Amino acid sequence: GAGVSQSPRYKVAKRGQDVALRCDPISGHVSLFWYQQALGQGPEFLTYFQNEAQLDKSGLPSDRFFAERPEGSVSTLKIQRTQQEDSAVYLCASSLEPGDEQYFGPGTRLTVT
Amino acid sequence: EDQVTQSPEALRLQEGESSSLNCSYTVSGLRGLFWYRQDPGKGPEFLFTLYSAGEEKEKERLKATLTKKESFLHITAPKPEDSATYLCAVGSVGTSYGKLTFGQGTILTVHP
Repeated sequence: GAGVSQSPRYKVAKRGQDVALRCDPISGHVSLFWYQQALGQGPEFLTYFQNEAQLDKSGLPSDRFFAERPEGSVSTLKIQRTQQEDSAVYLCASSLEPGDEQYFGPGTRLTVT
Repeated sequence: EDQVTQSPEALRLQEGESSSLNCSYTVSGLRGLFWYRQDPGKGPEFLFTLYSAGEEKEKERLKATLTKKESFLHITAPKPEDSATYLCAVGSVGTSYGKLTFGQGTILTVHP
């Protein structure tokens, strides 16, 4: 069956540009997570959605980061006025129910120049 | 604050040479401990969930065990295709929805 998909797979942005990263979770999965992974590190939590409700955004690094999941399926992570420190892999994960094992997409590698 | 520490940072093995990876954790209340495998350029791939001390799970050459303070991932007679980064993560009862805290990973290289 189809897993979690993310697009684009690679994104190069000039400092100050806005970017939008898309996540298509596994169909029927209630929970959706965004993580940020720096080179050589484990993923770090950014935000969580249960259906369309954003229940936790405590990991978002600044108010330049914004996420939405308006219809409870596809999610978009938006970063405004990108900075070099935003360069990382952004991973999306989904789980059938809250607390279940999470299934990850391939990630979007963002490079800010 | 939940914390996860993995050791060693990197491990090189010869094909067939069994070994173990360690994951030490501090959590207010364990909801579950998760092991993932991550290949270069890919997202983490789910391997196991362990919920309580004494629990063990196996999959092919991998066996995961759990105590109250740490988890081990035992690799028996590894093959080159087992080379990957292995990530450990904990979910805390402090969050009802399963937010994960990850360790930094162990890079495993298996030489033929």
